[in-house]
Amino acid sequence: ETGVTQTPRHLVMGMTNKKSLKCEQHLGHNAMYWYKQSAKKPLELMFVYSLEERVENNSVPSRFSPECPNSSHLFLHLHTLQPEDSALYLCASSLGTGTNNEQFFGPGTRLTVL
Amino acid sequence: RKEVEQDPGPFNVPEGATVAFNCTYSNSASQSFFWYRQDCRKEPKLLMSVYSSGNEDGRFTAQLNRASQYISLLIRDSKLSDSATYLCVVRRGGGFKTIFGAGTRLFVKA
Repeated sequence: ETGVTQTPRHLVMGMTNKKSLKCEQHLGHNAMYWYKQSAKKPLELMFVYSLEERVENNSVPSRFSPECPNSSHLFLHLHTLQPEDSALYLCASSLGTGTNNEQFFGPGTRLTVL
Repeated sequence: RKEVEQDPGPFNVPEGATVAFNCTYSNSASQSFFWYRQDCRKEPKLLMSVYSSGNEDGRFTAQLNRASQYISLLIRDSKLSDSATYLCVVRRGGGFKTIFGAGTRLFVKA
């Protein structure tokens, strides 16, 4: 059973709504990640946090705002999204950010923007 | 050109068959390589890391060719439960750069 949980599992929102995705890891890891997986496209890395500090932001639009209050929790705040933002949003964690560190994924939040 | 490219398939094979997937990467600074497996509507899970010397885990063998910039995955004696999408993953830049391929879809049939 995965040590990374995500809530909600499904979310439908309008373009004017504000919502937040939550991720929690129970593995004692120090790094956390947000990925986006759109239909028929590869996973895209959005944000990387190491020890609660954002270390990577891959040119993600400002309507996506991450927050990492501690090493176990990661949020993705959403506002004024577009229909093309509909996708599976996956959270992952790893012991560190070194290239050999295995990333463990949560089950994802399937987001639909109307 | 995509930084990590995979044949999308699908590969349709009978049980017991041997099947091989290739993945090419374009950035020579790539440092670490992995194969992940993703079942339909589920999260990706690590299948195996890929080392220069090649590595084997049961029916699965992974190879890395740095000179030609590709990695491969060989599955022997395919099982129905091997049906999934196999994702090639390349990491560099201290791990901050993690690039996934689009995946290769495998169907194993009885």
